[in-house]
Amino acid sequence: DTAVSQTPKYLVTQMGNDKSIKCEQNLGHDTMYWYKQDSKKFLKIMFSYNNKELIINETVPNRFSPKSPDKAHLNLHINSLELGDSAVYFCASSRDSHGYTFGSGTRLTVV
Amino acid sequence: KNEVEQSPQNLTAQEGEFITINCSYSVGISALHWLQQHPGGGIVSLFMLSSGKKKHGRLIATINIQEKHSSLHITASHPRDSAVYICAVRNMDSNYQLIWGAGTKLIIKP
Repeated sequence: DTAVSQTPKYLVTQMGNDKSIKCEQNLGHDTMYWYKQDSKKFLKIMFSYNNKELIINETVPNRFSPKSPDKAHLNLHINSLELGDSAVYFCASSRDSHGYTFGSGTRLTVV
Repeated sequence: KNEVEQSPQNLTAQEGEFITINCSYSVGISALHWLQQHPGGGIVSLFMLSSGKKKHGRLIATINIQEKHSSLHITASHPRDSAVYICAVRNMDSNYQLIWGAGTKLIIKP
């Protein structure tokens, strides 16, 4: 069974559209994250969500919003997509002092 | 200056060589992670360290808290070890955020 699963794996969409990326973990972890990997391969945290506490990286545009229906899911919604949003987005989860488990990534291409 | 510095940025070696990748950090940390990103993009967590040394197969990770330095070693390297290796530290002031190094791109030639 996949521990952290993201869907879709690839997403091509036009500028201005609204899209969502889903993430689910079956590890019983209590914290989930969204990271954006830019063209230089830097990983930047966008959000972390722990026990219903959302921590937002203040540099993330408010067009991006996380939605957590329950502890096992943290979905990423993006409104009014822009060309600069093209990147690989990674979901991850962790529990306390344990290591991180990453999803396989979603490659978003905005055209 | 970045809070997490990795060296070297790029490393090409022959199969069988002993590989060392270094990570230095300047903030107080509660843990340090080594991760591996394959050419296909997937990220795998290799180690989480808060002190000492850990070994998993041909991989060894060490950390010196006083010197704020960690190393990742690969013994008997193999072409399948070719990947980007990333050091990330968990900031002591923020239990959730990781501060990432820029990564080390490793290529092992047969």
